Amino acid sequence: EADIYQTPRYLVIGTGKKITLECSQTMGHDKMYWYQQDPGMELHLIHYSYGVNSTEKGDLSSESTVSRIRTEHFPLTLESARPSHTSQYLCASSDQRNSFGETQYFGPGTRLLVL
Amino acid sequence: GDSVTQMEGPVTLSEEAFLTINCTYTATGYPSLFWYVQYPGEGLQLLLKATKADDKGSNKGFEATYRKETTSFHLEKGSVQVSDSAVYFCALNQAGTALIFGKGTTLSVSS
Repeated sequence: EADIYQTPRYLVIGTGKKITLECSQTMGHDKMYWYQQDPGMELHLIHYSYGVNSTEKGDLSSESTVSRIRTEHFPLTLESARPSHTSQYLCASSDQRNSFGETQYFGPGTRLLVL
Repeated sequence: GDSVTQMEGPVTLSEEAFLTINCTYTATGYPSLFWYVQYPGEGLQLLLKATKADDKGSNKGFEATYRKETTSFHLEKGSVQVSDSAVYFCALNQAGTALIFGKGTTLSVSS
């Protein structure tokens, strides 16, 4: 059973607000990821981290930022939310020691609606 | 670059019907292949995987065989249930890289 948590599960917020989506895992995984899932269900990698103080942008350009100060915590921040940011955000982690055929474990997701 | 193509949905079946969801890939080297499933309102979870050619992954009655000659990893189940209704994602990765997902296939099973 994977132990990866995301809060909040649902968020409705007004344009221009700053928001932080939380993601935590208790498995001691080095690698963590953020995906944006569009209404058509397609997944887009927006950020990833291979360990503490390591962050990289993914394939999809995103106005969000991330930080990795602790192994278990990988928050995503939007400085000024816009309606175009309305989406589902999924966090995942994996164990770098098993990089070949490694399994990613996903959190339950945060559904964000920006009005 | 590497990519995954899976059949578009939605796929609509009656309970106990046979399921096939096609997945093909383009990759250099020898990727690992995966099927993930996403139930309504949840995140993704691993359904099965295969790490080398001719490997068969299986779980919960689902199967997929890694076919290098046809670059395919089709998902099959002999008799679907209503509880199998979900979105299914085919994915690949090379050692040390992030997963590359297909666009997902929605399966709807009616009783």
